[in-house]
Amino acid sequence: GQQVMQIPQYQHVQEGEDFTTYCNSSTTLSNIQWYKQRPGGHPVFLIQLVKSGEVKKQKRLTFQFGEAKKNSSLHITATQTTDVGTYFCAGRIQGAQKLVFGQGTRLTINP
Amino acid sequence: ETGVTQSPTHLIKTRGQQVTLRCSSQSGHNTVSWYQQALGQGPQFIFQYYREEENGRGNFPPRFSGLQFPNYSSELNVNALELDDSALYLCASSFLNEQFFGPGTRLTVL
Repeated sequence: GQQVMQIPQYQHVQEGEDFTTYCNSSTTLSNIQWYKQRPGGHPVFLIQLVKSGEVKKQKRLTFQFGEAKKNSSLHITATQTTDVGTYFCAGRIQGAQKLVFGQGTRLTINP
Repeated sequence: ETGVTQSPTHLIKTRGQQVTLRCSSQSGHNTVSWYQQALGQGPQFIFQYYREEENGRGNFPPRFSGLQFPNYSSELNVNALELDDSALYLCASSFLNEQFFGPGTRLTVL
């Protein structure tokens, strides 16, 4: 079936270090979305990427969508304790309505 | 806050029982999706409703069913509950491809 794989599953960093999570799909995506979920909370929409090779920035966060529209990454520069949470990618399969979530990357930060 | 509310926040049921979970979306958001999130996993798509009709479904059995109403509220019904149905159930309303999640209902099946 359609799968979206996300790595790493866990990442622990020192405050101020960078962080990257990667997302790979077995099939071509029409778009990909990124979400952040704080412990005990619900997913919060961060961004959507649609175009092949697209790069978008939100302050310290940089999002990329691969040329083949099968992979994506989220990079956080100089992490802060407020960045703690689980980051999910979610790909929309071409021609389908459903959004397929990755397993998430749980980020913890040592202050 | 996303403007999406869900009720109840927590629920405990026993195997074989039926449950109805409710979601109230933002006004004007005519698409609602339901997800099941097991502990430590990403949300799994159950189904999506657009203008009161189901227009997409994930790999969930027919005992998972839903309704969407004209007032932007919706329901998720699960019959014949199983232990593995224990999870956080999230609804999300959509507007221009951006999804707004509610706080979820934590269902425990004993």
